[in-house]
Amino acid sequence: DQQVKQNSPSLSVQEGRISILNCDYTNSMFDYFLWYKKYPAEGPTFLISISSIKDKNEDGRFTVFLNKSAKHLSLHIVPSQPGDSAVYFCAASARAAGNMLTFGGGTRLMVKP
Amino acid sequence: GAVVSQHPSRVICKSGTSVKIECRSLDFQATTMFWYRQFPKKSLMLMATSNEGSKATYEQGVEKDKFLINHASLTLSTLTVTSAHPEDSSFYICSARDGTGNQPQHFGDGTRLSIL
Repeated sequence: DQQVKQNSPSLSVQEGRISILNCDYTNSMFDYFLWYKKYPAEGPTFLISISSIKDKNEDGRFTVFLNKSAKHLSLHIVPSQPGDSAVYFCAASARAAGNMLTFGGGTRLMVKP
Repeated sequence: GAVVSQHPSRVICKSGTSVKIECRSLDFQATTMFWYRQFPKKSLMLMATSNEGSKATYEQGVEKDKFLINHASLTLSTLTVTSAHPEDSSFYICSARDGTGNQPQHFGDGTRLSIL
């Protein structure tokens, strides 16, 4: 049972435009959500996170939106840059479960110059 | 930001060899470290949680006698793949968290293990 899902395995965006990466979850106990960026043969790099008490968190070009009622979160990157091309994983955790991370399957973002 | 160092980055060895992978938190103390495995084009799967000074907690389906975890200090955890076989070939990644609350895990760069 996949508790965190990223339904789009890949996304292609033109440089300068907005990239929107989506993530859905099923476990209502999740109270902390994160986005990681991963290049091949490297470990994931933390990008941005959001607590369930918020619905938006912004950090530079990256904004994460959380819709608790829909159990949906999204990562917006604007403007997209070729260096943003990577695999993006969303992850979720629940304090009641010891804050263990559950990862989605990842979305490969390709930003074309 | 927080830095986690993982070593070695790549290992190629014969079947039956035991392989040790080290994970170090360089600028913070990590009471908890995590070991993940990633299959090609798949997500990261948590193998075990490593707690400093106590036994690791293994996820369902992960053989604790196969994947030995030691967390001897607040900055070092090791994963030893014992008597490795070709099916153990994978990308292993560790992470560490500074604190126990809602803090992001910071990941090492992973170890590509290839068993011939």
